[in-house]
Amino acid sequence: NAGVTQTPKFRVLKTGQSMTLLCAQDMNHEYMYWYRQDPGMGLRLIHYSVGEGTTAKGEVPDGYNVSRLKKQNFLLGLESAAPSQTSVYFCASSSLSGAGEQYFGPGTRLTVT
Amino acid sequence: GENVEQHPSTLSVQEGDSAVIKCTYSDSASNYFPWYKQELGKRPQLIIDIRSNVGEKKDQRIAVTLNKTAKHFSLHITETQPEDSAVYFCAASKGGSYIPTFGRGTSLIVHP
Repeated sequence: NAGVTQTPKFRVLKTGQSMTLLCAQDMNHEYMYWYRQDPGMGLRLIHYSVGEGTTAKGEVPDGYNVSRLKKQNFLLGLESAAPSQTSVYFCASSSLSGAGEQYFGPGTRLTVT
Repeated sequence: GENVEQHPSTLSVQEGDSAVIKCTYSDSASNYFPWYKQELGKRPQLIIDIRSNVGEKKDQRIAVTLNKTAKHFSLHITETQPEDSAVYFCAASKGGSYIPTFGRGTSLIVHP
């Protein structure tokens, strides 16, 4: 039982390049989330999904797109990376039958130059 | 939407002292209040949570209290140890939404 995993762990992009971050969970959770973490800013929600085939915007969605084609996977895309997207990205999941506890992945450190 | 304020942003204590971190929330409909601990370079992990039908919850050296009237909740750590050094986040969410709003975090430093 791996829990929540993220790929890749580190990435450096040039401005304007695109990339996709992959999140996978093996706990059969309905909810999945993407956060970014910047110093002093806490965890800010980018997008989330309440089930396969559904996504919704969070607090800071601009410049990002997501897809959830399979229940266990949640993809975060950056179409044209900007230096302001330099951050640590965390994926999380939670169960509808639980109390609301979120399980986080190990994070992806992204640097945009 | 919900707004969660967390104080202090940094807390420095001596080993063995107690530490208290406070959070306030704005939405009176919020009813689930988790606390997450994030060690340096690691992922956030739940350490304790409380629902609005309970005023206090304890788990060994940590406890959380909730004042629904004043809309604030606090994390209490007693007999602090160096391994308690980490960033702590509070959060609030409404029942059924499963979309928490996080505070900005408190960096706790426990000096040996």
